[in-house]
Amino acid sequence: GQNIDQPTEMTATEGAIVQINCTYQTSGFNGLFWYQQHAGEAPTFLSYNVLDGLEEKGRFSSFLSRSKGYSYLLLKELQMKDSASYLCAGFLGSASKIIFGSGTRLSIRP
Amino acid sequence: DAEITQSPRHKITETGRQVTLACHQTWNHNNMFWYRQDLGHGLRLIHYSYGVQDTNKGEVSDGYSVSRSNTEDLPLTLESAASSQTSVYFCASSEGTGASEQYFGPGTRLTVT
Repeated sequence: GQNIDQPTEMTATEGAIVQINCTYQTSGFNGLFWYQQHAGEAPTFLSYNVLDGLEEKGRFSSFLSRSKGYSYLLLKELQMKDSASYLCAGFLGSASKIIFGSGTRLSIRP
Repeated sequence: DAEITQSPRHKITETGRQVTLACHQTWNHNNMFWYRQDLGHGLRLIHYSYGVQDTNKGEVSDGYSVSRSNTEDLPLTLESAASSQTSVYFCASSEGTGASEQYFGPGTRLTVT
């Protein structure tokens, strides 16, 4: 199967930087998504990486290494509103569908 | 503005009852998806559709069915509700056939007693 692993919980301090890692089996996935989900709400799209390297979008950046089956989401200048779950998801090109990891719950402390 | 809606937002039903959850999108997207979300499991794909009259099984399809009679709607039916189907259900849609951003509905919290 296509397993996706990410830490269950992380804590960081307001104003700091945090990196959320995601590892996956290298076969099958054509790209990696990151979604943000606040408690009690629907997931919302953050980024999609199909090529190796870093994609920057404001305070958020996402990195992908396809050969290593590794991705990370980097959040800078953390704000209290960044407290949420962050979902890593692989795009299975052969079936045109997305497989989600269990998510990382990020808590920001003042 | 285009949107994706789900109804009801909350539902309590009894074991053995048939339940249908509605999903309606005005994005005119071809692709629609149903997920369930449980603690410790993340989002798991139940069924998905790439267009009218097309339906496909996801990783946790047992006990669920969908039908796609038009572009806007993909109702999810629980044939005979079980307590194991207590969950939060999300509908999503996307355009195109490749890797596209999925837009999620607000979710339906279903409790089976």
